Amino acid sequence: GDSVTQMEGPVTLSEEAFLTINCTYTATGYPSLFWYVQYPGEGLQLLLKATKADDKGSNKGFEATYRKETTSFHLEKGSVQVSDSAVYFCALLNYGGATNKLIFGTGTLLAVQP
Amino acid sequence: DAGVIQSPRHEVTEMGQEVTLRCKPISGHDYLFWYRQTMMRGLELLIYFNNNVPIDDSGMPEDRFSAKMPNASFSTLKIQPSEPRDSAVYFCASGRPEVGTEAFFGQGTRLTVV
Repeated sequence: GDSVTQMEGPVTLSEEAFLTINCTYTATGYPSLFWYVQYPGEGLQLLLKATKADDKGSNKGFEATYRKETTSFHLEKGSVQVSDSAVYFCALLNYGGATNKLIFGTGTLLAVQP
Repeated sequence: DAGVIQSPRHEVTEMGQEVTLRCKPISGHDYLFWYRQTMMRGLELLIYFNNNVPIDDSGMPEDRFSAKMPNASFSTLKIQPSEPRDSAVYFCASGRPEVGTEAFFGQGTRLTVV
């Protein structure tokens, strides 16, 4: 079945460091891909998305490119801030496939130190 | 739109009591999802509805859990009787996956069963 695998955390970085959080997926067809962010005590918020191969989603300095050839959707940011500390979830939606639901990875905790 | 609204935000109850969690989805969204989040198991999909009809309840842990969606603007998740291991944050989300959009999450209900 469809699945998402993302790198385990926690990831600890200093402010202004470069961030990469890896995400790979397994799915039939052409899923949409998402990154969600969860700040402490809050629900999940959409960070960015891409709906087809080679699309690049971007928001708040974060970027991710839908790579069908490597089935990946890695999250990157050039210079992280303390306020970026949160849990990041990679997810896919394969509407019309076996199920019409968001499938999430396990989440990666990012801690940015000043 | 006010977004997905969940109530209560926090619930503390004694073991054996009935607990009802409530959700109001975003107007116009035809899919509604219930998730549970714990440190040990991460984010788990419990059940989802399409046009008020339960589509997949394979994630519901046992018969103590039940969910209903009597109309397009309201859903409940009920636990009866509750147990300490049910302590978690429960999220409701709504969306329109048929147009490739993401799911929008509520702020969650933090349930503590003592």
